[in-house]
Amino acid sequence: QQQVKQSPQSLIVQKGGISIINCAYENTAFDYFPWYQQFPGKGPALLIAIRPDVSEKKEGRFTISFNKSAKQFSLHIMDSQPGDSATYFCAALTQGGSEKLVFGKGMKLTVNP
Amino acid sequence: ETGVTQSPTHLIKTRGQQVTLRCSSQSGHNTVSWYQQALGQGPQFIFQYYREEENGRGNFPPRFSGLQFPNYSSELNVNALELDDSALYLCASSIRANNEQFFGPGTRLTVL
Repeated sequence: QQQVKQSPQSLIVQKGGISIINCAYENTAFDYFPWYQQFPGKGPALLIAIRPDVSEKKEGRFTISFNKSAKQFSLHIMDSQPGDSATYFCAALTQGGSEKLVFGKGMKLTVNP
Repeated sequence: ETGVTQSPTHLIKTRGQQVTLRCSSQSGHNTVSWYQQALGQGPQFIFQYYREEENGRGNFPPRFSGLQFPNYSSELNVNALELDDSALYLCASSIRANNEQFFGPGTRLTVL
């Protein structure tokens, strides 16, 4: 059973466009939702994260939107750049006990110049 | 401030052998988590160490074991390697209850 479902699997956008990645979760005990960016051959890098008491969080060109009732959250990348081309993972975690991250399957983003 | 480091970078083993992977946590972090990332997939949680004790385990068999040392560095040991163990092994460090986990570059393990 996949607890965090991510879509689409891949996305191609033009430079300057908006990239949108969606995630849905099942476990209502999740209370921390990060997004990671991973380049080939590298470890995932934490981009931005949100907790369920907030509906939106913005950091630079990256914005997370969170819909607690729908159990969905999304990452918006504004003014997408070729350097943003990478694989993006959403994840979820339950605080307390073992703080394990549950990851989606990832989305490969390609930003064309 | 140095980030999370892992060694070795790459490793090639044959089926049935044993392997030890190492991780140094980020300065000030007291918790280490290990993840396995198969090609084209998201990382899967193996286990977490806090105060030198295992603090949660994912769906991995007992031949996956670990240690955490007093300086918060950690080892992942895998016995009786199988072909399906070929993957990128990631270590992430964090401050307990802070939730933010920072990953190292990973160790690419190939089992032949």
